[in-house]
Amino acid sequence: ETGVTQTPRHLVMGMTNKKSLKCEQHLGHNAMYWYKQSAKKPLELMFVYSLEERVENNSVPSRFSPECPNSSHLFLHLHTLQPEDSALYLCASSQDEPGRGYTFGSGTRLTVV
Amino acid sequence: TQLLEQSPQFLSIQEGENLTVYCNSSSVFSSLQWYRQEPGEGPVLLVTVVTGGEVKKLKRLTFQFGDARKDSSLHITAAQPGDTGLYLCAGVRGTASKLTFGTGTRLQVTL
Repeated sequence: ETGVTQTPRHLVMGMTNKKSLKCEQHLGHNAMYWYKQSAKKPLELMFVYSLEERVENNSVPSRFSPECPNSSHLFLHLHTLQPEDSALYLCASSQDEPGRGYTFGSGTRLTVV
Repeated sequence: TQLLEQSPQFLSIQEGENLTVYCNSSSVFSSLQWYRQEPGEGPVLLVTVVTGGEVKKLKRLTFQFGDARKDSSLHITAAQPGDTGLYLCAGVRGTASKLTFGTGTRLQVTL
């Protein structure tokens, strides 16, 4: 399988639940990203991993916890989320070089009830 | 945060019409990319422009990078329903690889 694969595609969770989003890339890229896409807002960068090290954390609440066990896999662990966290969560990968394009997954549509 | 403002926010046109989408910033970018996102999918890279004044064509789509590298435009000729989607510009500053995304333009092309 090629490209960036995200699972699950849809997730409904209660505010007290713990769940994880998974992202996998088979492109040989060395950087991976989590973005949040809400209605009427630009794409918000959450976390950046380069060579499996977290290089950026954009003031994201601690109820979101990323994990990058190797260069092909990225997780976003979720716990005690709020309804306003409902959004499309997009994973992307790229070569960590200026001007290189990102390859995005199809996203996980998260609904917090 | 270096904001990239896109205009218009929404555009609904009929098949065969031409349109232009704008991406503007007060900051200089070393390169700028355009993506298209269809419902239920992630954004897909269309083009990267690097040089001020650069023009790139992708079939019916023409992309231009401003001379000062602060703005860009996307022109679509003879729009088709398959062009429907959210168009996003994204800029890179300096030697960083991190992208800053624009506010997006949602295009609807009807028969």
